[in-house]
Amino acid sequence: QQQVKQSPQSLIVQKGGISIINCAYENTAFDYFPWYQQFPGKGPALLIAIRPDVSEKKEGRFTISFNKSAKQFSLHIMDSQPGDSATYFCAASRSNSGNMLTFGGGTRLMVKP
Amino acid sequence: KAGVTQTPRYLIKTRGQQVTLSCSPISGHRSVSWYQQTPGQGLQFLFEYFSETQRNKGNFPGRFSGRQFSNSRSEMNVSTLELGDSALYLCASSLVQGFAGELFFGEGSRLTVL
Repeated sequence: QQQVKQSPQSLIVQKGGISIINCAYENTAFDYFPWYQQFPGKGPALLIAIRPDVSEKKEGRFTISFNKSAKQFSLHIMDSQPGDSATYFCAASRSNSGNMLTFGGGTRLMVKP
Repeated sequence: KAGVTQTPRYLIKTRGQQVTLSCSPISGHRSVSWYQQTPGQGLQFLFEYFSETQRNKGNFPGRFSGRQFSNSRSEMNVSTLELGDSALYLCASSLVQGFAGELFFGEGSRLTVL
């Protein structure tokens, strides 16, 4: 089965620090790479997404870096805040697969005050 | 604008029973997808419906089925429940099909199988 591998499984960062979560994929047919944020008791919510025609996308404190040759992409959270404490999922999809996402295993982020 | 609504939010069943979960998408959204979330397997795609037709299906046994109605509301059914079916079942809606990533998830239906 197509896989997306995500690391680390858990991450503790001090307030104001940078949180970095990495993902690697196998299927070169993937052409859409979103990140989702999930708080306890809630469903995942789209945070930011990137397509492989760009190497970086920034939205506020959140940045996706994409390395097509290495088949890797990462999420950077700058100036991490306690409110960012959540589980983050990377995902990947193909244009011809509708809305079917292949998710990474998730990273539980805790930002300490 | 109301979000994706899933009912029931929590339910407990016993092995061998069947269960039906309901999902009302965001108004105007025509695509509904279902995902299973477990601590061990993470988030896994079950199936997607668009205009009352199943468009994609994940690697789940035939005990898992679904349907979509003309008003875009969707139901999924799991028959002959097994302990391993205990999970959070998430429904996600999208305005269109084929633009993966822009999914709006509900809060899920948490199923416990005893």
